[in-house]
Amino acid sequence: GENVEQHPSTLSVQEGDSAVIKCTYSDSASNYFPWYKQELGKGPQLIIDIRSNVGEKKDQRIAVTLNKTAKHFSLHITETQPEDSAVYFCAASKEGSQGNLIFGKGTKLSVKP
Amino acid sequence: EAGVAQSPRYKIIEKRQSVAFWCNPISGHATLYWYQQILGQGPKLLIQFQNNGVVDDSQLPKDRFSAERLKGVDSTLKIQPAKLEDSAVYLCASSPAYYNSPLHFGNGTRLTVT
Repeated sequence: GENVEQHPSTLSVQEGDSAVIKCTYSDSASNYFPWYKQELGKGPQLIIDIRSNVGEKKDQRIAVTLNKTAKHFSLHITETQPEDSAVYFCAASKEGSQGNLIFGKGTKLSVKP
Repeated sequence: EAGVAQSPRYKIIEKRQSVAFWCNPISGHATLYWYQQILGQGPKLLIQFQNNGVVDDSQLPKDRFSAERLKGVDSTLKIQPAKLEDSAVYLCASSPAYYNSPLHFGNGTRLTVT
C-alpha cells in the first residue's frame, strides 16, 4: 500500500524566513496531494492541495511543488509569521479513493518572533 | 458555513468499557469519514460513508469498532470493549459528493483509555 514519508519532523525558523517541508510517496497511482495545518486541540485544516497534472501551485505565501517522476512533493512557506506555528501534514491518495488519505507523520513548525 | 461538529471533546474510560462518539457533518456534505489520530502520528482512515452507505471500512477493527450513519447525516462511532491502544483523537471529516472535493475535519474527540 501507499507510504508517505515526511521530513523534517521539527523545524524552527525566524520570523520572516522561509520554511520548506518535504514528502515522498511510494505508490505511483497516487494523484492527489493535500497539505494540512493542525493547531493544538484542533482538527487538520486544508491549506493547499495539488493534483498530478500540475507541477506547482501557489496561494499567497504558500506554494506546493510536485515531482511525479521522483515521487516527492514539497510545501514552501515564505515570510513566515508566528501564527504559522503548527503541525503540518502532507498526504496522498489515489483517484477514486480520494477520501482515503495516507498521511505523513507531521512536521512541527516553530516560528520565532 | 458551520463546520463539522463533534462531541464529546474529551472522554476518559477504563479498558473494557464502551464509548461512543458523535459527528454532525457540514450541511449538504454527502461523504463522511472517521479518522483515528494517535499521538505523534498522522490521521488514519477508519471508515468512509457515502450518504448512509459504507464505501470503505477496510481499516476498521470490526471486532470492537462499529459505526453508523442513519438518514445520511449524523454519524456515531462506537468502541466496545476499549483497549489501551485505542487512546487517540477520533476525527470526523466530511466532503461534498462530487469528485476530487477536499475533506473538512472537525476538532475531534480525545479518548484516553486507562
